[in-house]
Amino acid sequence: DGGITQSPKYLFRKEGQNVTLSCEQNLNHDAMYWYRQDPGQGLRLIYYSQIVNDFQKGDIAEGYSVSREKKESFPLTVTSAQKNPTAFYLCASSPTEVGRGPNYGYTFGSGTRLTVV
Amino acid sequence: AQSVTQPDIHITVSEGASLELRCNYSYGATPYLFWYVQSPGQGLQLLLKYFSGDTLVQGIKGFEAEFKRSQSSFNLRKPSVHWSDAAEYFCAVGRTSYDKVIFGPGTSLSVIP
Repeated sequence: DGGITQSPKYLFRKEGQNVTLSCEQNLNHDAMYWYRQDPGQGLRLIYYSQIVNDFQKGDIAEGYSVSREKKESFPLTVTSAQKNPTAFYLCASSPTEVGRGPNYGYTFGSGTRLTVV
Repeated sequence: AQSVTQPDIHITVSEGASLELRCNYSYGATPYLFWYVQSPGQGLQLLLKYFSGDTLVQGIKGFEAEFKRSQSSFNLRKPSVHWSDAAEYFCAVGRTSYDKVIFGPGTSLSVIP
């Protein structure tokens, strides 16, 4: 079955350490997204990519980095510059079409919960 | 600017009762509208979406939503709630552009047996 796989499900980061969250999709979707979810704050967009080798900053990109070398993969690195990284991270993908964009709706992964220790 | 509000942070209903979750949006043109559901510790699942046409949209799990342009609303409804409907519900809005979707803050639903 097609879908999005996020790994690991739980991740622990030490102070000053970079960590990378994996997101892989086999839906043949062009667009991929990373969201951060904190209690009571809904979803905030970190980065998104609509095509391979291209990505754009979202609303809270500081302290994060991404790459999009393959259509199927969109890993997120949480750098040491992100001072408050403890959160639930969600990856999503969507097909795209000129004039409609991502408006078919997103498919989400099951998330990665990152905790600073 | 585009925005989505969900006035109710938390709602509690009895099993078998009807449900309505409110969503209001701010956007100059006709938007694309979505409702998603999230079970604890999981990702979001698309319940339904509205692009154009009939303003009453049917979704999965017995949910429906009605688009009201005059009120800038897209409320989610279900005639009879089941205990398994307890979850977080997110309204979202998209634009007719090669762009991203904006999510509301969510409404947490509790169901009393």
